[in-house]
Amino acid sequence: QVQLVESGGGVVQTGGSLRLSCAASGFTFSSYGMHWVRQAPGKGLEWVAFIRHDGSNKYYADSVKGRFTISRDTSKNTLYLQMNSLGPEDTAVYYCAKAAAAGTYYFDYWGQGTLVTVSS
Amino acid sequence: QSALTQPRSVSGSPGQSVTISCTGTSSDVGAYNYVSWYQQHPGEAPKLMIYDVSKRPSGVPDRFSGSKSGNTASLTISGLQAEDEADYYCCSYAGSYTEVFGTGTKVTVL
Repeated sequence: QVQLVESGGGVVQTGGSLRLSCAASGFTFSSYGMHWVRQAPGKGLEWVAFIRHDGSNKYYADSVKGRFTISRDTSKNTLYLQMNSLGPEDTAVYYCAKAAAAGTYYFDYWGQGTLVTVSS
Repeated sequence: QSALTQPRSVSGSPGQSVTISCTGTSSDVGAYNYVSWYQQHPGEAPKLMIYDVSKRPSGVPDRFSGSKSGNTASLTISGLQAEDEADYYCCSYAGSYTEVFGTGTKVTVL
């Protein structure tokens, strides 16, 4: 069965950096695009970034462009999110989510999330 | 990339039907038939309920249905059950491999 397990969250000061990981299993990781989605405490969902199945292209929300970098390591079946220049507005639970298939635009599986807290 | 607009809350009694609207623009909801809906219970990850406007994944009860007209998509829950009480989010493809979520709707079963 598909499993996505995020890790790497924690408390970081404003201006700091953090790298999140998402370990994938139960499917052929190299065949699927992957997303990061976040949710600030008590708020709604916000799409953050997408990487194509082969890592050839990456796309970002305007709110994180230039600060966050999505990447993947097929040999480790792991998705990453490098977050730099963090601010309090980045405080959220970060979910990784699997794209259903090439050419689809929805998320069929989600991890349980990892909490990032940016303190000022 | 402005969030799609959803009502903050809707409610209904068991067995009744409720409909959640999701209003976007001609650049997202109105431009593509790629609207999806997610259910989220407190403390849990979101769960896919509807994709491509009106398709239901395997395992999702058929009392959940989706539709779209112009820049507004809708999710209808027929025969409301206690376990349907949750937050619901719409999501639309917005071009160039970007996505935009709705503001979220809390469904209360009275």
